[in-house]
Amino acid sequence: DIQMTQSPSSLSASIGDRVSITCRASQSIANYLNWYQLKPRQAPKLLIYGTSSLQSGVPSRFSGSGSGTDFTLTISSLQPEDFATYYCQQSYSLPLTFGGGTKVEIK
Amino acid sequence: QVHLQESGPGLVKPSETLSLTCSVSGVSSSNYYWSWIRQPPGKGLEWIGYSDHSANANYNPSLKSRVTISVDTSKNQFSLRLSSATAADTAVYYCARVITLISGAYNFDYWGQGTLVTVSS
Repeated sequence: DIQMTQSPSSLSASIGDRVSITCRASQSIANYLNWYQLKPRQAPKLLIYGTSSLQSGVPSRFSGSGSGTDFTLTISSLQPEDFATYYCQQSYSLPLTFGGGTKVEIK
Repeated sequence: QVHLQESGPGLVKPSETLSLTCSVSGVSSSNYYWSWIRQPPGKGLEWIGYSDHSANANYNPSLKSRVTISVDTSKNQFSLRLSSATAADTAVYYCARVITLISGAYNFDYWGQGTLVTVSS
């Protein structure tokens, strides 16, 4: 199985901050990397697919980059609705696997 | 607008079969792969498996011997059966639609809100 490691596991930030979350794969996954946002009692939301493609309806302050084993999700200017937990997921090979999550909290 | 909603017992006894249903609206269940994903309390997400209406399925090897995912196009829903449940199966269970891209990549573009299933006597 491909192991996905996210860092940090949590972070505190203020409204308007630029935030970056890193995801590292245990082997190369080309650009087969997706990002999701989870909030309590809500349906999870696909943010980014294929490393850098923005899902329809997702604000442009979200962006993704990387290739091979190292990937980054960036929120350019943190908004109140962005406080949530973020997960990366690889689809290079089965079984599909997720990172451990990064919780973004209010400073 | 695509909408998914999980339903099923919130409490399952150890050794029994955990069964959940995901009702799909806004799209035909015959046109996609459908997946289940779970999140144990305080832990990360775990992919369980996916299937289409023709029973073309793939399961996580860690659960493969106990899992069945099936799609009922007449009811526009799909289901999860996980046999021989233990406390380790306690989790929030999510259903999701699978999108397969030309590149061969997969993502989950629509999810249900999730339902907590506790395995306990």
